[in-house]
Amino acid sequence: NAGVTQTPKFRVLKTGQSMTLLCAQDMNHEYMYWYRQDPGMGLRLIHYSVGEGTTAKGEVPDGYNVSRLKKQNFLLGLESAAPSQTSVYFCASSDIWTGDDYGYTFGSGTRLTVV
Amino acid sequence: RKEVEQDPGPFNVPEGATVAFNCTYSNSASQSFFWYRQDCRKEPKLLMSVYSSGNEDGRFTAQLNRASQYISLLIRDSKLSDSATYLCVSASSGYSTLTFGKGTMLLVSP
Repeated sequence: NAGVTQTPKFRVLKTGQSMTLLCAQDMNHEYMYWYRQDPGMGLRLIHYSVGEGTTAKGEVPDGYNVSRLKKQNFLLGLESAAPSQTSVYFCASSDIWTGDDYGYTFGSGTRLTVV
Repeated sequence: RKEVEQDPGPFNVPEGATVAFNCTYSNSASQSFFWYRQDCRKEPKLLMSVYSSGNEDGRFTAQLNRASQYISLLIRDSKLSDSATYLCVSASSGYSTLTFGKGTMLLVSP
């Protein structure tokens, strides 16, 4: 019963390097999201997807790209990492509104440091 | 102005105390509200949804005042295990993206 799995859990990048963060969910959820969390800033939405093959920009999309080629996976890419992208990245998935909540499930996070 | 605003705290309380967190939201289109709990270096987890009629889950009571665009969370008989950051969260009608407040840290001491 994995839920939402993020890989890697930790990563240190040099400025200018690229990397891809992988999010995988096994709950057959339609919606998936990438958030970043910085000290004193709360969680901010980077990009999200409302279904396989779709993506949309969130509050802070600059410097990131995403892809949702398969329903269960949502990839977040950093083409040229910058120190300002040092953060904790959380992936989440959810289903349609159930009348109580969206059934949001978060992954355990990826701690990224860009030096 | 951030859409969801909370007092950052920290709130330092002794075990057994009652503590209240307040939250305001600016987007009148917000339809659904939640309180999430986040432990240090962990992912957020849903604590409870918030309804206009108010709702209670054990020691926790949540209230929503749409006219004032105000949400509250009351924790009674605080436990050491309640120490965490509490996030006020809103969602707009038709969308499942969540807007998070910055969180209020609670520290419960013996």
